[in-house]
Amino acid sequence: DAMVIQNPRYQVTQFGKPVTLSCSQTLNHNVMYWYQQKSSQAPKLLFHYYDKDFNNEADTPDNFQSRRPNTSFCFLDIRSPGLGDAAMYLCATSRSTFQSNEAFFGQGTRLTVV
Amino acid sequence: DAKTTQPTSMDCAEGRAANLPCNHSTISGNEYVYWYRQIHSQGPQYIIHGLKNNETNEMASLIITEDRKSSTLILPHATLRDTAVYYCIVSKFANSKLTFGKGITLSVRP
Repeated sequence: DAMVIQNPRYQVTQFGKPVTLSCSQTLNHNVMYWYQQKSSQAPKLLFHYYDKDFNNEADTPDNFQSRRPNTSFCFLDIRSPGLGDAAMYLCATSRSTFQSNEAFFGQGTRLTVV
Repeated sequence: DAKTTQPTSMDCAEGRAANLPCNHSTISGNEYVYWYRQIHSQGPQYIIHGLKNNETNEMASLIITEDRKSSTLILPHATLRDTAVYYCIVSKFANSKLTFGKGITLSVRP
């Protein structure tokens, strides 16, 4: 059974039109991440939540925002998508402990900007 | 977190062991070595992690050198489904971040 669920798998949005990607988890993990992965590149961390604490990477554009209304759900908002924002967006969760922070990833949402 | 260096790619024959090296010469004492893999068009998948001792699970073995400056992921009997990009990541325990490098592309040939 899927433990980290991302919807939709494929999303097409218009240039400049706000879009929201969603992620849910059944693992009750305290940490949730959003990664951006462009073609033939490694996943790049955009931000993560440690419980309710939001941690933004220094080079994440202001165009990207996130919300975590509760433990199970996390959203990625792209306020004004540009052509350069076309990518796979990956959500992950982990239960950060002093022994391990094994992360579980969703299948990703592939975003196309037209 | 310490930086890792991996070869760009390697291949191996189906049924043979695949040994994937990783260099992490600046690793500090409280940093773990993690391995993830990403099969095409899927999210990354956790494989194994370790601190000092060698580790083994149902997927793979992790061999960490005594000085901890390098490690090797071993897939004992590679199959075609093991074709993927493998990422070696060094991360502090209880650190909430996983930073991916470029990874190594493993191609398993029939």
